[in-house]
Amino acid sequence: QVQLVQSGAEVKKPGASVKVSCKVSGYTLTELSMHWLRQAPGKGLEWMGGFDPEDGETVYAQEFQGRVTMTEDTSTDTVYMELSSLRSEDTAVFYCATYRSWYPFDYWGQGTLVTVSS
Amino acid sequence: EIVLTQSPGTLSLSPGERATLSCRASHSVSGSYLAWYQQKPGQAPRLLIYGASSRASGIPDRFSGSGSGTAFTLTISRLEPEDFAVYYCQHYGRLPPTFGPGTQVDIK
Repeated sequence: QVQLVQSGAEVKKPGASVKVSCKVSGYTLTELSMHWLRQAPGKGLEWMGGFDPEDGETVYAQEFQGRVTMTEDTSTDTVYMELSSLRSEDTAVFYCATYRSWYPFDYWGQGTLVTVSS
Repeated sequence: EIVLTQSPGTLSLSPGERATLSCRASHSVSGSYLAWYQQKPGQAPRLLIYGASSRASGIPDRFSGSGSGTAFTLTISRLEPEDFAVYYCQHYGRLPPTFGPGTQVDIK
Protein backbone atom coordinates (compact mmCIF):
# COMPACT_ATOMS: atom_id res chain seq x y z
CA GLN A 1 0.00 0.00 0.00
CA VAL A 2 1.38 3.37 -1.02
CA GLN A 3 1.46 6.14 1.57
CA LEU A 4 2.34 9.72 0.77
CA VAL A 5 3.19 12.11 3.62
CA GLN A 6 3.64 15.77 2.81
CA SER A 7 5.44 18.53 4.70
CA GLY A 8 3.59 20.97 6.90
CA ALA A 9 1.81 24.23 6.23
CA GLU A 10 3.80 27.25 5.11
CA VAL A 11 3.28 30.99 5.22
CA LYS A 12 5.21 33.01 2.64
CA LYS A 13 5.44 36.62 1.53
CA PRO A 14 4.71 37.63 -2.06
CA GLY A 15 7.75 37.13 -4.25
CA ALA A 16 9.19 34.37 -2.10
CA SER A 17 9.56 30.69 -2.94
CA VAL A 18 8.17 27.61 -1.25
CA LYS A 19 9.38 24.03 -1.38
CA VAL A 20 6.93 21.28 -0.45
CA SER A 21 8.02 17.69 0.10
CA CYS A 22 6.19 14.40 -0.29
CA LYS A 23 7.66 11.23 1.19
CA VAL A 24 6.68 7.92 -0.33
CA SER A 25 6.41 4.71 1.63
CA GLY A 26 5.21 1.26 0.62
CA TYR A 27 6.90 1.62 -2.75
CA THR A 28 10.09 3.25 -3.98
CA LEU A 29 10.31 6.18 -6.36
CA THR A 30 11.88 3.91 -8.94
CA GLU A 31 8.49 2.16 -9.11
CA LEU A 32 6.31 5.28 -9.12
CA SER A 33 5.85 8.55 -10.92
CA MET A 34 4.67 11.51 -8.89
CA HIS A 35 2.66 14.52 -9.89
CA TRP A 36 1.57 17.70 -8.14
CA LEU A 37 -1.82 19.41 -8.08
CA ARG A 38 -3.08 22.68 -6.64
CA GLN A 39 -6.42 23.54 -5.08
CA ALA A 40 -7.18 27.14 -4.17
CA PRO A 41 -9.59 27.67 -1.26
CA GLY A 42 -13.11 26.67 -2.28
CA LYS A 43 -11.97 25.93 -5.83
CA GLY A 44 -11.34 22.89 -8.01
CA LEU A 45 -8.28 20.81 -8.77
CA GLU A 46 -5.52 22.03 -11.07
CA TRP A 47 -2.73 19.84 -12.41
CA MET A 48 0.72 21.38 -12.08
CA GLY A 49 2.98 18.75 -13.56
CA GLY A 50 5.04 15.68 -12.85
CA PHE A 51 7.19 12.90 -14.25
CA ASP A 52 5.96 11.36 -17.49
CA PRO A 53 7.24 7.76 -17.58
CA GLU A 54 6.46 7.49 -21.29
CA ASP A 55 8.85 10.31 -22.18
CA GLY A 56 11.16 9.99 -19.21
CA GLU A 57 10.85 13.71 -18.54
CA THR A 58 9.20 16.01 -16.03
CA VAL A 59 6.43 18.00 -17.66
CA TYR A 60 4.84 21.16 -16.32
CA ALA A 61 1.48 22.75 -16.94
CA GLN A 62 1.81 25.84 -19.09
CA GLU A 63 0.44 28.05 -16.30
CA PHE A 64 3.37 27.17 -14.05
CA GLN A 65 6.17 26.98 -16.64
CA GLY A 66 9.20 28.92 -15.48
CA ARG A 67 7.96 29.16 -11.89
CA VAL A 68 7.83 25.54 -10.76
CA THR A 69 10.51 22.90 -10.34
CA MET A 70 9.80 19.31 -9.41
CA THR A 71 12.63 17.12 -8.20
CA GLU A 72 13.12 13.82 -6.46
CA ASP A 73 15.58 12.19 -4.08
CA THR A 74 15.53 8.45 -4.66
CA SER A 75 17.76 7.84 -1.63
CA THR A 76 14.94 9.00 0.66
CA ASP A 77 11.97 8.31 -1.68
CA THR A 78 10.96 11.94 -1.39
CA VAL A 79 9.73 14.26 -4.13
CA TYR A 80 9.77 18.04 -3.99
CA MET A 81 7.81 20.83 -5.61
CA GLU A 82 9.27 24.32 -5.51
CA LEU A 83 7.15 27.26 -6.62
CA SER A 84 8.79 30.66 -6.96
CA SER A 85 7.64 34.26 -7.36
CA LEU A 86 4.68 33.54 -5.12
CA ARG A 87 1.63 35.76 -5.32
CA SER A 88 -1.55 35.87 -3.27
CA GLU A 89 -3.35 33.80 -5.92
CA ASP A 90 -0.97 30.92 -5.11
CA THR A 91 -2.59 30.51 -1.70
CA ALA A 92 -3.78 26.94 -1.95
CA VAL A 93 -3.47 23.36 -0.81
CA PHE A 94 -0.86 21.51 -2.83
CA TYR A 95 -1.15 17.74 -3.26
CA CYS A 96 1.27 15.11 -4.49
CA ALA A 97 -0.28 12.07 -6.15
CA THR A 98 0.91 8.89 -7.82
CA TYR A 99 0.73 8.72 -11.58
CA ARG A 100 0.72 5.84 -14.02
CA SER A 101 0.39 6.30 -17.74
CA TRP A 102 -3.20 6.08 -18.89
CA TYR A 103 -4.50 5.83 -15.32
CA PRO A 104 -5.95 8.44 -12.96
CA PHE A 105 -4.33 9.60 -9.72
CA ASP A 106 -4.97 6.79 -7.27
CA TYR A 107 -2.89 7.68 -4.19
CA TRP A 108 -2.75 11.20 -2.77
CA GLY A 109 -0.81 12.96 -0.06
CA GLN A 110 -2.73 14.68 2.70
CA GLY A 111 -2.10 18.11 1.20
CA THR A 112 0.04 21.08 2.23
CA LEU A 113 -1.51 24.50 2.74
CA VAL A 114 0.63 27.34 1.45
CA THR A 115 -0.55 30.81 2.41
CA VAL A 116 0.91 33.78 0.56
CA SER A 117 0.37 36.99 2.46
CA SER A 118 2.23 40.20 3.16
CA GLU B 1 -6.84 20.15 -24.08
CA ILE B 2 -10.21 18.70 -23.11
CA VAL B 3 -12.46 21.03 -21.11
CA LEU B 4 -14.89 19.35 -18.72
CA THR B 5 -18.13 20.85 -17.45
CA GLN B 6 -20.19 19.37 -14.63
CA SER B 7 -23.83 19.75 -13.75
CA PRO B 8 -25.55 20.60 -11.60
CA GLY B 9 -23.25 22.77 -9.57
CA THR B 10 -25.05 21.76 -6.39
CA LEU B 11 -27.38 18.84 -5.78
CA SER B 12 -29.51 18.86 -2.63
CA LEU B 13 -30.81 15.44 -1.73
CA SER B 14 -31.84 13.39 1.29
CA PRO B 15 -30.15 10.21 2.52
CA GLY B 16 -31.52 7.21 0.66
CA GLU B 17 -32.19 9.16 -2.51
CA ARG B 18 -30.52 8.57 -5.87
CA ALA B 19 -27.91 11.07 -7.11
CA THR B 20 -27.14 11.58 -10.78
CA LEU B 21 -24.15 13.75 -11.65
CA SER B 22 -23.21 14.77 -15.19
CA CYS B 23 -19.84 15.47 -16.78
CA ARG B 24 -19.55 16.71 -20.36
CA ALA B 25 -16.35 16.99 -22.38
CA SER B 26 -15.48 19.56 -25.05
CA HIS B 27 -14.09 16.80 -27.25
CA SER B 28 -14.60 13.08 -27.35
CA VAL B 29 -12.70 11.28 -24.59
CA SER B 30 -10.89 8.48 -26.36
CA GLY B 31 -10.65 5.14 -24.63
CA SER B 32 -13.17 6.35 -21.99
CA TYR B 33 -10.28 7.78 -19.98
CA LEU B 34 -12.66 9.46 -17.57
CA ALA B 35 -12.44 9.23 -13.79
CA TRP B 36 -14.56 10.41 -10.87
CA TYR B 37 -13.27 11.51 -7.46
CA GLN B 38 -14.96 12.27 -4.18
CA GLN B 39 -13.60 15.00 -1.91
CA LYS B 40 -14.71 15.81 1.63
CA PRO B 41 -13.74 19.02 3.47
CA GLY B 42 -10.12 18.99 4.60
CA GLN B 43 -9.37 15.74 2.79
CA ALA B 44 -7.58 14.77 -0.38
CA PRO B 45 -9.67 13.55 -3.30
CA ARG B 46 -10.46 9.83 -3.39
CA LEU B 47 -10.62 7.93 -6.66
CA LEU B 48 -14.05 6.36 -7.16
CA ILE B 49 -14.35 5.42 -10.83
CA TYR B 50 -11.86 5.03 -13.70
CA GLY B 51 -12.33 4.05 -17.31
CA ALA B 52 -15.74 5.75 -17.08
CA SER B 53 -17.35 2.73 -15.39
CA SER B 54 -14.83 0.69 -13.36
CA ARG B 55 -14.94 1.08 -9.59
CA ALA B 56 -11.62 1.65 -7.84
CA SER B 57 -10.54 -0.71 -5.11
CA GLY B 58 -12.76 -0.60 -2.02
CA ILE B 59 -15.47 1.59 -3.54
CA PRO B 60 -19.01 0.48 -2.60
CA ASP B 61 -21.23 -0.76 -5.42
CA ARG B 62 -23.77 2.02 -4.83
CA PHE B 63 -21.36 4.13 -6.92
CA SER B 64 -21.52 3.52 -10.65
CA GLY B 65 -20.23 5.32 -13.70
CA SER B 66 -21.42 5.30 -17.27
CA GLY B 67 -21.05 7.12 -20.56
CA SER B 68 -18.70 7.51 -23.48
CA GLY B 69 -17.60 10.10 -26.00
CA THR B 70 -18.49 13.46 -24.51
CA ALA B 71 -21.18 12.58 -21.95
CA PHE B 72 -20.54 10.78 -18.67
CA THR B 73 -22.59 10.13 -15.55
CA LEU B 74 -21.83 9.22 -11.96
CA THR B 75 -24.75 7.64 -10.14
CA ILE B 76 -25.02 7.03 -6.41
CA SER B 77 -27.92 4.63 -6.07
CA ARG B 78 -28.84 5.36 -2.45
CA LEU B 79 -27.09 8.20 -0.67
CA GLU B 80 -25.45 7.36 2.63
CA PRO B 81 -24.61 10.15 5.12
CA GLU B 82 -20.93 9.82 4.27
CA ASP B 83 -21.59 10.43 0.55
CA PHE B 84 -22.32 14.15 0.98
CA ALA B 85 -19.24 15.70 -0.58
CA VAL B 86 -17.90 17.31 -3.74
CA TYR B 87 -17.44 15.14 -6.82
CA TYR B 88 -15.01 15.86 -9.64
CA CYS B 89 -14.66 14.26 -13.03
CA GLN B 90 -11.24 14.07 -14.65
CA HIS B 91 -9.97 13.32 -18.12
CA TYR B 92 -6.69 11.42 -18.08
CA GLY B 93 -4.54 9.55 -20.55
CA ARG B 94 -2.39 11.94 -22.51
CA LEU B 95 -1.01 14.80 -20.44
CA PRO B 96 -2.26 17.30 -19.39
CA PRO B 97 -5.06 15.80 -17.34
CA THR B 98 -8.01 18.11 -16.77
CA PHE B 99 -10.70 18.31 -14.12
CA GLY B 100 -14.28 19.47 -14.11
CA PRO B 101 -15.30 22.24 -11.68
CA GLY B 102 -17.10 19.80 -9.39
CA THR B 103 -20.62 19.04 -8.17
CA GLN B 104 -21.44 19.55 -4.51
CA VAL B 105 -23.89 17.01 -3.10
CA ASP B 106 -25.58 18.58 -0.07
CA ILE B 107 -27.98 17.22 2.52
CA LYS B 108 -31.47 18.53 1.82
